[in-house]
Amino acid sequence: QSVLTQPPSVSAAPGQKVTISCSGSSSNIGNDDVSWYQQLPGTAPKLLIYENNKRPSGIPDRFSGSKSGTSATLDITGLQTGDEADYYCGTWDISLSGCVFGTGTKVTVL
Amino acid sequence: EVQLVESGGDLVKPGGSLRLSCAASGFTFGSHSMHWVRQAPGKGLEWVSSMDSSGRHIYYADSVRGRFTTSRDNAKNSLSLQMNSLRAEDTAVYYCARTVGSGTYFDYWGQGALVTVSS
Repeated sequence: QSVLTQPPSVSAAPGQKVTISCSGSSSNIGNDDVSWYQQLPGTAPKLLIYENNKRPSGIPDRFSGSKSGTSATLDITGLQTGDEADYYCGTWDISLSGCVFGTGTKVTVL
Repeated sequence: EVQLVESGGDLVKPGGSLRLSCAASGFTFGSHSMHWVRQAPGKGLEWVSSMDSSGRHIYYADSVRGRFTTSRDNAKNSLSLQMNSLRAEDTAVYYCARTVGSGTYFDYWGQGALVTVSS
């Protein structure tokens, strides 16, 4: 059972922007950094954002993250068809002594 | 190049056991915490277990605690997940993943191993 809440789906036309929210609590997002993962169909998750707003090498700056209090946000600008995927947020929950993931958001490019 | 390769996935009957392995290469395995994350068919990601670089500290999700055991062999660059008393709800693709330092983000993932629990 996911502890972090995300919208099930978001969509936009190519070139537009989508925003994915990730809502948690003081024991997870409020206590630790947030990461974001992209999962293309049939593949393993891939790290997209770490420590709230940092991008690994090779991740375009069209992807950006932020965190405020017990919520985090992933923005994707200049949407491309190749961005169609499931996106998950993740962090550590100090009460559960374990990692928690968001419910996942499917991005559709119209 | 960092590589994580899972093996051992199979079809197993409820109540049965299975052992997954994750072979690591391309980095200093003994310097990283390692983890298991699973994904049931059509569902989201679920964290299963974490083990620190020394193997002294291990954490489990409530859903598997007491049934699953994580271990590692730093000399063989290998991570394992022993799964006992398997249930239908354990059916999933199991990924091994690593974290960096004290960070809680998974920077590399394996391709996954499918475990199917069914009679």
